[in-house]
Amino acid sequence: SQQGEEDPQALSIQEGENATMNCSYKTSINNLQWYRQNSGRGLVHLILIRSNEREKHSGRLRVTLDTSKKSSSLLITASRAADTASYFCATDGVDSSYKLIFGSGTRLLVRP
Amino acid sequence: DVKVTQSSRYLVKRTGEKVFLECVQDMDHENMFWYRQDPGLGLRLIYFSYDVKMKEKGDIPEGYSVSREKKERFSLILESASTNQTSMYLCASSGSAYEQYFGPGTRLTVT
Repeated sequence: SQQGEEDPQALSIQEGENATMNCSYKTSINNLQWYRQNSGRGLVHLILIRSNEREKHSGRLRVTLDTSKKSSSLLITASRAADTASYFCATDGVDSSYKLIFGSGTRLLVRP
Repeated sequence: DVKVTQSSRYLVKRTGEKVFLECVQDMDHENMFWYRQDPGLGLRLIYFSYDVKMKEKGDIPEGYSVSREKKERFSLILESASTNQTSMYLCASSGSAYEQYFGPGTRLTVT
């Protein structure tokens, strides 16, 4: 089955720096989503980008999508210690936009 | 705000016990999901439901069953718990807008 794979698996940056995480997937999609998970908690939806969109912004988040390369990136600008979390991309399938497949995530540590 | 609640944050059960994990959402969402999350494996879909009394197997349904008698409630059942079912279990719901709303998770330990 298709799967999003995040890269890198772990990232450590200084507060104020930008953080970039990448996601690759295998088959055609309708939408790609990014989620955040604080340690030991449930996931929180961050942003959804449709297959006909190339870039989307939400506050300090910028998501790009390249369907020809089957890849997406999440950029967090001016990072804060509170951004420390795991970040997951999730892809749907052409047969169902409701059923998601999650990647294994990027663990982000923002050092104060 | 959408609220998804799960009946327990932490649960310890013995091998062979029948285990019920309950999930309730308050936003009248049609779709509900059960995942398990294990280190290095990400989230894996166990079962999902797109309507009352309707269910579909996900990627790892073996050893699990589900029940959805009311729209707001989706239960995951471990018929006979085994140690390899020790995991974090996450419930989620979604409506027509595709994004999923997650509960806080239940960390289940089977001894």
